[in-house]
Amino acid sequence: AQSVTQPDIHITVSEGASLELRCNYSYGATPYLFWYVQSPGQGLQLLLKYFSGDTLVQGIKGFEAEFKRSQSSFNLRKPSVHWSDAAEYFCAVGPPGAGSYQLTFGKGTKLSVIP
Amino acid sequence: EAQVTQNPRYLITVTGKKLTVTCSQNMNHEYMSWYRQDPGLGLRQIYYSMNVEVTDKGDVPEGYKVSRKEKRNFPLILESPSPNQTSLYFCASASGTTYEQYFGPGTRLTVT
Repeated sequence: AQSVTQPDIHITVSEGASLELRCNYSYGATPYLFWYVQSPGQGLQLLLKYFSGDTLVQGIKGFEAEFKRSQSSFNLRKPSVHWSDAAEYFCAVGPPGAGSYQLTFGKGTKLSVIP
Repeated sequence: EAQVTQNPRYLITVTGKKLTVTCSQNMNHEYMSWYRQDPGLGLRQIYYSMNVEVTDKGDVPEGYKVSRKEKRNFPLILESPSPNQTSLYFCASASGTTYEQYFGPGTRLTVT
């Protein structure tokens, strides 16, 4: 069965500092990989996705993620965090070709930003 | 505006009283899903639908029913709600080509 681990429950960074949120997955083949963000009281919004090809993918709001097959990881990064990035971030995986309806989510990492 | 809508947004009910949470999308998406979100557990899929009249169980289907009679609608039915179904529920839809899920704003359900 597929699974997703986000090792960090809560991360606090200063505004302007760099950010890396970790995501490790367990799956038999290379899955479809996603990062979603949930602002307080809101639904989830897709930040970026990886299906195949270039292992460094760019997303919205200045985020990027790198797929590392050897480490089964898909870590999310941002070079300079803004106060508005405070939110909860979810990594998700899905079977290739069917990721749209069988997503497995990690438990999330809550990001706090210190002014 | 492309969107997924859910109603109601907030609901407090009592054990055993049947309820339906509606979900509608205006993007002509084939796929729709229901998730529940609980603190410390993240999102877990309840049911999903690949198209009209095609539904299947997700990871936590017990106590829930769904139907997909029209492409745009995917209601979630709790025939006999129990307190352990108190949760935040999200509906989502996705295109069969982009595989990006679009989420509704959520429905906070409390069962007493």
